[in-house]
Amino acid sequence: DSGVTQTPKHLITATGQRVTLRCSPRSGDLSVYWYQQSLDQGLQFLIQYYNGEERAKGNILERFSAQQFPDLHSELNLSSLELGDSALYFCASSVVPGAKKTQYFGPGTRLLVL
Amino acid sequence: DAKTTQPTSMDCAEGRAANLPCNHSTISGNEYVYWYRQIHSQGPQYIIHGLKNNETNEMASLIITEDRKSSTLILPHATLRDTAVYYCIVRPPLSGGGADGLTFGKGTHLIIQP
Repeated sequence: DSGVTQTPKHLITATGQRVTLRCSPRSGDLSVYWYQQSLDQGLQFLIQYYNGEERAKGNILERFSAQQFPDLHSELNLSSLELGDSALYFCASSVVPGAKKTQYFGPGTRLLVL
Repeated sequence: DAKTTQPTSMDCAEGRAANLPCNHSTISGNEYVYWYRQIHSQGPQYIIHGLKNNETNEMASLIITEDRKSSTLILPHATLRDTAVYYCIVRPPLSGGGADGLTFGKGTHLIIQP
């Protein structure tokens, strides 16, 4: 158990809909990262937050957005969903950003868009 | 970011040491080598990391060559539960904007044979 929690574990929805994925980082961790894993693209970095502020974006679509709240939990919002958005979505956290600081991953949310 | 090259798959007999190689010939002097593994769609699990010296923890050992152009992850007594995809990742120091997302390759699918 990494200490990172994600809800829900599974999500099934229809094209065009909007969903929200939630992540609670490990106690004391200020940085949160979101990753997407699809069959054809592998594990890809989406977006990073540090202490409530957006720090960096990776391969995140404009239809996707995220935020980190004062209690440090984070939410990833996916809108106008398409079939290709079906994937595993992982959240990771670290104490602070930096190559010396390990990122610990949550168990993921499996999203299926029908 | 330095690129890593890993074999696509490897087999190892249960109880034997599993040695997973990673080539990172373009690594810079201040970049860390990290290893994660992913067991069947679970969240990536941190294993070990190092900069220059060899490292050992309760899960594995990391051997980094003197020129730092390659490394080997060693699982000393592999069990069936070690069957997973193992990712070798090179992490650069923080950029000015603090971007810190991990770049995952395709990894090595390690299969432990009974």
